[in-house]
This record gives sequence, structure tokens and C-alpha cells, in this order.
Amino acid sequence: GQNIDQPTEMTATEGAIVQINCTYQTSGFNGLFWYQQHAGEAPTFLSYNVLDGLEEKGRFSSFLSRSKGYSYLLLKELQMKDSASYLCAVLDSNYQLIWGAGTKLIIKP
Amino acid sequence: DGGITQSPKYLFRKEGQNVTLSCEQNLNHDAMYWYRQDPGQGLRLIYYSQIVNDFQKGDIAEGYSVSREKKESFPLTVTSAQKNPTAFYLCASSIETGTPYEQYFGPGTRLTVT
Repeated sequence: GQNIDQPTEMTATEGAIVQINCTYQTSGFNGLFWYQQHAGEAPTFLSYNVLDGLEEKGRFSSFLSRSKGYSYLLLKELQMKDSASYLCAVLDSNYQLIWGAGTKLIIKP
Repeated sequence: DGGITQSPKYLFRKEGQNVTLSCEQNLNHDAMYWYRQDPGQGLRLIYYSQIVNDFQKGDIAEGYSVSREKKESFPLTVTSAQKNPTAFYLCASSIETGTPYEQYFGPGTRLTVT
């Protein structure tokens, strides 16, 4: 079966750095997405990785290792507005998105 | 401004009633999707459509129906056959299916059936 694992919840301090991990086992791989979702709102796109390595975009970076079936989202200089759920999703061999359950990130002052 | 609208934001229904959730996009996207989101679970695909007058079942289509008469619109009907309809429903669109293009989401409709 297809499976995506993320931690359910993480807590971090304002101004710090946090790494949210995502491991996947899917039938084929055509890329991995990270989305941010504030409570009760729509998910919004953060990043897309299809090649191994690190992609940096401002305070957010996303890393992919296809051989390990592993990705992480790195958030730097955390702000209170970063409190949200972070969703990992893999595009499988049929170009269908398989979604993880999301990681709820709590930022404390 | 281009985007996706869903209405209403909150919807309450009695058990046994059908209810239709609205989804409209002005992004000129060919592909549209309906997801269901439940606490502690990933988004689950209900139906998707690649083109007008064509749609396919997703992983959990039972108890739901859709139509795609216009490119801009993709309404979802939750029928009385859906065993556990209370959930947060998200509509999304993308340039086309079968590609790595990102999906754009509407604000969602929270449906409560009692």
C-alpha cells in the first residue's frame, strides 16, 4: 500500500528553527509537495521537489532524498504566524497526489 | 483576482437529506478536485475532473456525486447514502491532471449532519 508518515504535532519557540520530516512509500514517484494549512482554512503551496537536494525559498527550505523516501521542511526564524499544519504529499506513478495526515506546528513565544 | 470560491463556509443538514456544495474557479484551470479532510487523516480524494462533462471517482466516491457542465464549476452532492458525511470539504483546481502542477484550494465547506 501507499503510505506517508509525518509527526502528528511539533512545538517550537519563536525565532528558532524547526525541521518537519516526511517519509513515504508510494507506487512510483513524480515529486513531493509541501503545503501549509492554517486551522479551518485552505492549504497553500509551499514547495515542490522532484530532484534530490535542498530547495531554499526565503525562511523555508525543503529537502528530498528519493533513495531514502524522505523529505523535510525546514523553517527558520520562526514567527507566530507559522503556527499551522504542514502537509506532505507525493505524486505517485499515476500522477495522483497521496497526502500525509499533516504535522501541526505550535509556536510558543 | 483569480481564485476558487466555495460556498457556504458552514452547512448544517439533517440526516437523510442530500446537500450540494458549490465550487467555482476563475483560474481557467482544466482540472478540478474534491477532497474530504477529517481530523488526523490526510486529504482523501472524492472525485476529480480533467475536462468539462468528464469526471472520475477518487478513493472514496461512494455516497457522493458530481457534475462538470462548465469549466468554472464543479459542484459536489453529498447524498443520504454517505454513511459519515460530517467533514471539512475542500475543492481544488490545477492547470491539468497528470502533471506536477500545484493545486489551488478553495476555503472549504464544513458540513455537519445530525
